[in-house]
Amino acid sequence: QVTLRESGPALVRPTQTLTLTCAYSGFSLNSPGMRVSWIRQPPGKALEWLARIDWDDETFYNTSLKTRLTISKDTTKNHVVLTMNNMDPADTATYYCARMADIRWFDSWGQGTLVTVSS
Amino acid sequence: SYVLTQPPSVSVAPGQTARITCERNNIGSKSVNWYQQKPGQAPVLVIYYDSDRPSGIPERFSGSNSGNTATLTISTVEAGDEADYYCQVWDSSSDHLYVFGTGTKVTV
Repeated sequence: QVTLRESGPALVRPTQTLTLTCAYSGFSLNSPGMRVSWIRQPPGKALEWLARIDWDDETFYNTSLKTRLTISKDTTKNHVVLTMNNMDPADTATYYCARMADIRWFDSWGQGTLVTVSS
Repeated sequence: SYVLTQPPSVSVAPGQTARITCERNNIGSKSVNWYQQKPGQAPVLVIYYDSDRPSGIPERFSGSNSGNTATLTISTVEAGDEADYYCQVWDSSSDHLYVFGTGTKVTV
């Protein structure tokens, strides 16, 4: 059974760096073709893709946010980590990680973690 | 900008058919996926590769994609189908790589 679970701070101050962890199970991110993405959703708004990491460590970013994002993985811990620097109240959102067994879609999602950016 | 346009809301009576559209110029050349999101929950993939269903998704959910419009159809709608629905495409030639639609609230 595939599961993903996001964790991280619920509250972040403006200009701080956010670090989120996605703990996954039921699949191997070392398997060729396996990928994990981060996606966010501001309250009441649509989904926005942020970043992706592949089994071979290749990474891809939303070009609008690329300078602020870093995605990495630790397959010994079954973790994927996303950092976003220079946080702003506009970054307030629920952040999801999702598995991608196919490059084209997100087949399993974590429950999400709400991050509020406020002073 | 890369926008997938969906109607903000669709209202349907129980037992009837709901159709949700996702529009973009020449979307028919892309593979479209659909997600269902109930209040307070994570999205769930209900249609991938235009018209395929993941295991566990009822046959009542179907998809099509041609020209400038992709469509998610929910037949014999049930109260439990009330949710937000998002289309999504992967475009390797785009800076955005993965784009979601604007979302449609289905009210039963």
